[in-house]
Amino acid sequence: EIVLTQSPGTLSLSPGEGATLSCRASQSVSSTYLAWFQQKPGQAPRLLIYGASRRATGIPDRFSGSGSGTDFTLTISRLEPEDFAVYYCQEYGSSRTFGQGTKVEIK
Amino acid sequence: EVQLLESGGGLVQPGGSLRLSCAAPGFTFSNYAMSWVRQSPGRGLEWVSAITGGADDTWNADSVKGRFTISRDNSKNTLYLQLNNLRAEDTAVYYCVRGSASGRPYYFDSWGQGTLVTVSS
Repeated sequence: EIVLTQSPGTLSLSPGEGATLSCRASQSVSSTYLAWFQQKPGQAPRLLIYGASRRATGIPDRFSGSGSGTDFTLTISRLEPEDFAVYYCQEYGSSRTFGQGTKVEIK
Repeated sequence: EVQLLESGGGLVQPGGSLRLSCAAPGFTFSNYAMSWVRQSPGRGLEWVSAITGGADDTWNADSVKGRFTISRDNSKNTLYLQLNNLRAEDTAVYYCVRGSASGRPYYFDSWGQGTLVTVSS
């Protein structure tokens, strides 16, 4: 089973700042089968990125994904008030495991 | 927008059973693999079970093998999860999730709002 470790656990930032979230896999993720989700309190997760770097339908271009192998990054270029949430990465090629999440909170 | 409407959650005693349902109107249900994913404070997000669009293959996480069974009725556009021999650690919100394709690999492109299962005496 692939284990995904996200860092940092919490990111305290102000609106307008950029955010960089990391997701590290315990073994190589085949064919970049890596997704990112956003979850707000009381809501279901929402798909942001799949294939490591492809934005899902309707996702603003301030969200971008990159990486391959065992190291992946979600970047939010300029935080909007609605972007403060918890973000999860997920490997979907084999074990379908999720990371433990990174909380982006208002500083 | 894709709609996934879960039902069937509730309070059940350890060792008991529940059947979750997920109605999926508005898209060609049989064209998509479906999964159940659960979330609890202690275990985070955890994929539980998956089934191909044509129901010809299923997969289960090790934590639920032999206890949970996923199935679907494509004529009714409905996904099911039968939960047997429930344990306290199965307490979670259970989400119905659509895959991006009929078979693997696929990413999770749409999620329902979830149904809460509580296992307690």
